[in-house]
Amino acid sequence: GAGVSQSPSNKVTEKGKDVELRCDPISGHTALYWYRQSLGQGLEFLIYFQGNSAPDKSGLPSDRFSAERTGGSVSTLTIQRTQQEDSAVYLCASSLAGQGRAGYTFGSGTRLTVV
Amino acid sequence: AQSVTQLDSQVPVFEEAPVELRCNYSSSVSVYLFWYVQYPNQGLQLLLKYLSGSTLVESINGFEAEFNKSQTSFHLRKPSVHISDTAEYFCAVSEDFGNEKLTFGTGTRLTIIP
Repeated sequence: GAGVSQSPSNKVTEKGKDVELRCDPISGHTALYWYRQSLGQGLEFLIYFQGNSAPDKSGLPSDRFSAERTGGSVSTLTIQRTQQEDSAVYLCASSLAGQGRAGYTFGSGTRLTVV
Repeated sequence: AQSVTQLDSQVPVFEEAPVELRCNYSSSVSVYLFWYVQYPNQGLQLLLKYLSGSTLVESINGFEAEFNKSQTSFHLRKPSVHISDTAEYFCAVSEDFGNEKLTFGTGTRLTIIP
């Protein structure tokens, strides 16, 4: 596609439920990143996928958070047993191999509200 | 570990006045620096970046930033702002090793006063 696509754009869920957020990167982009943007805070790195390498999960805040990337393309971020502090905008970005940090394209994000 | 500080959470500026948005970073290794902009109800867009070479970098819409290694700063400036510059601006740093994640500041909300 022309850009990074994220779905859903908005998600309201009850505390304790599981949610799945989807990211469809730009075709051909081998690197994929998840960030979280909380109100009044900057963007917080969550996880990074690069090709077939093991993902860098160092930013995941707890074991309730997990992510996978199937076939080197679409990625799903899963939050289990959601808590109110998980409410945030979850942003996905992708980049071409060799461009990395210099060539991020961000999606419009998924706004997650836990009630 | 790398970190970014944007001291000003909000900056109101009159239209056609100059503006400077401050950004300081901390890192023990070489870094790359970025400014991203988020217009109301839109996603993040890259405004400008410093990778190497000239320490003064410019964007297509009149913003510029200068990498100052001794002061560990990458302040964003524009000599004359427009209403359309109203947005949130994020400074980001990426260290020159390991994975290519960005570390972002908390953002500065620029409001242009007519």
